[in-house]
Amino acid sequence: QVQLQQWGAGLLKPSETLSLTCAVYGGSLTGYYWTWIRQPPGKGLEWIAEINHVPSTNYNPSLGSRVTISVDTSKNQFSLKLSSVTAADTAVYFCARGPVPAGRGISWFDPWGQGTLVTVSS
Amino acid sequence: DIQMTQSPPSLSVSVRDRVTITCRASQSIRSYLNWYQQKPGKAPTLLIYAASRMQSGVPSRFSGSGSGTDFTLTISSLQPEDFATYYCQQSYIAPLTFGGGTRVEIK
Repeated sequence: QVQLQQWGAGLLKPSETLSLTCAVYGGSLTGYYWTWIRQPPGKGLEWIAEINHVPSTNYNPSLGSRVTISVDTSKNQFSLKLSSVTAADTAVYFCARGPVPAGRGISWFDPWGQGTLVTVSS
Repeated sequence: DIQMTQSPPSLSVSVRDRVTITCRASQSIRSYLNWYQQKPGKAPTLLIYAASRMQSGVPSRFSGSGSGTDFTLTISSLQPEDFATYYCQQSYIAPLTFGGGTRVEIK
């Protein structure tokens, strides 16, 4: 059974770069899309970006050019970087797996990582 | 972006009650609709995908229906472990979007 384990810095100052990594255990990166989703405290979920092993990527335009998603097939990991963070980027960030690219067919997120709380504060 | 609107935002119910949560999309998403359950401090877990297909291991008291713009998640007889927040999510068009959530609380 595939499991995702994620990690990264939990406290950032405004203008710094958020960096998170998600490791995939019990399965290969090949054949799936690997996604980052975030959830501000007490609020709903926002899809951030996705990547496959090629890599082919898709981003949520709402975050503009601040987001970079990458993959390391040798380590079976994928990562997220979000630059120039502000307090509005404070959220729990989740990694997850999807079966197809966003908007290209029936898809869902399963499984999910455990979540990482990232707080942006001066 | 496709807007997903859930109702009600919260509801107070008792064990063994029948619970119905609705999700409306701002445009047709065919059957590209998923439901997740999230408990405090945990990641969401997939309950239903493609509007009505049950994820493996999910109890049969959960069911989903709908197509186009209107969807429903039904819990036929609420159990104590079902008190949680439920989210719908469309996978029809990128960017993928979620509903605002429905919190199911103990009456």
